[in-house]
Amino acid sequence: DAGITQSPRHKVTETGTPVTLRCHQTENHRYMYWYRQDPGHGLRLIHYSYGVKDTDKGEVSDGYSVSRSKTEDFLLTLESATSSQTSVYFCAISESGGKETQYFGPGTRLLVL
Amino acid sequence: QKEVEQNSGPLSVPEGAIASLNCTYSDRGSQSFFWYRQYSGKSPELIMFIYSNGDKEDGRFTAQLNKASQYVSLLIRDSQPSDSATYLCAVGGVARNAGNNRKLIWGLGTSLAVNP
Repeated sequence: DAGITQSPRHKVTETGTPVTLRCHQTENHRYMYWYRQDPGHGLRLIHYSYGVKDTDKGEVSDGYSVSRSKTEDFLLTLESATSSQTSVYFCAISESGGKETQYFGPGTRLLVL
Repeated sequence: QKEVEQNSGPLSVPEGAIASLNCTYSDRGSQSFFWYRQYSGKSPELIMFIYSNGDKEDGRFTAQLNKASQYVSLLIRDSQPSDSATYLCAVGGVARNAGNNRKLIWGLGTSLAVNP
């Protein structure tokens, strides 16, 4: 988890409310990713970023948006939270160059009631 | 369809034994292969990566890659109860430096239990 923080670490919210999760890195890595992890589904990519203001959709992007205005911050917004978005959310980073190794943040547990 | 498949387990081994975890992948163009360990309630952490056919050793861990057969395995020697976790296989590198498109394809993980 060194160099990657996520906030909040736990959140309970109600259906229909917007929620923003923050990922902050101190490694100056180019690539940042948001995943969700659910039992039976493993890690699923929501969105990723390949630079400041450069983002693209992953396999489960519906209902989510992202922004990256600085190298170190990658925000994930649930525009109108639903119970199906109850999950554990992980941020990951990867440096540019040949190595594709991803390093993960500690995760955020989100419960949507 | 790009896929990475792992046995879900649980794989149960006695303490001190060798644990063998396997992963197969569908995309022949894959070039980089990763093993992560995830303890319950924690985030995935990298154990090791392998790019070339053959074996790569790091302490008690050995990764084995066979691109012709499209499988990668992880051997854990002298298994300890602290090795009990879920092990995730990830595959990438269809276009390793393809600028924007750097994504890993993840397996669902194999649960390992090491019994004292």
